[in-house]
Amino acid sequence: DTGVSQDPRHKITKRGQNVTFRCDPISEHNRLYWYRQTLGQGPEFLTYFQNEAQLEKSRLLSDRFSAERPKGSFSTLEIQRTEQGDSAMYLCASGQRDGDTQYFGPGTRLTVL
Amino acid sequence: KDQVFQPSTVASSEGAVVEIFCNHSVSNAYNFFWYLHFPGCAPRLLVKGSKPSQQGRYNMTYERFSSSLLILQVREADAAVYYCACGAAGNKLTFGGGTRVLVKP
Repeated sequence: DTGVSQDPRHKITKRGQNVTFRCDPISEHNRLYWYRQTLGQGPEFLTYFQNEAQLEKSRLLSDRFSAERPKGSFSTLEIQRTEQGDSAMYLCASGQRDGDTQYFGPGTRLTVL
Repeated sequence: KDQVFQPSTVASSEGAVVEIFCNHSVSNAYNFFWYLHFPGCAPRLLVKGSKPSQQGRYNMTYERFSSSLLILQVREADAAVYYCACGAAGNKLTFGGGTRVLVKP
């Protein structure tokens, strides 16, 4: 299967801890997107990369959040000093620069206790 | 504020046509995207575009600020959450809150 993969699928952490999630996009895709989805809501845009460059960040992305895509392939999303309000599903998607289709991974569900 | 609106629930009977309406106030967005989401799985694109479109049992209508997804001959297995999203090519998507489709046998 060559779809978008995310790891881990589930993460439970205590408030104040740091967590890191990984996303592996479809191999030929040069754009990578992160979204956050809270219960009962649709996904909300956080940030996206074109190759290794981070081109846009949402105001939702506080300074406790950082995302990287160092070699233009996989990406990591780190949350420092987690808060209970960070509990959500974190979705990753990838696509082509000139295309309009975003292919989603299954997400990482974060629970902050 | 950029927003996408869709009903929270739509109920139908098996074999009928289900219609989910979506409208938006997203600046510079001219494409609609309809995703299907089963819990625990990746959201899957059903149909997309800036004009009326069909993919199998899924039809999409198009107006500049609104779209409907029509599911033909709906089955119990189609019971899931359907998301409407808007965007421009290569850019971020703005999603609605999702519509839960209920199918009565």
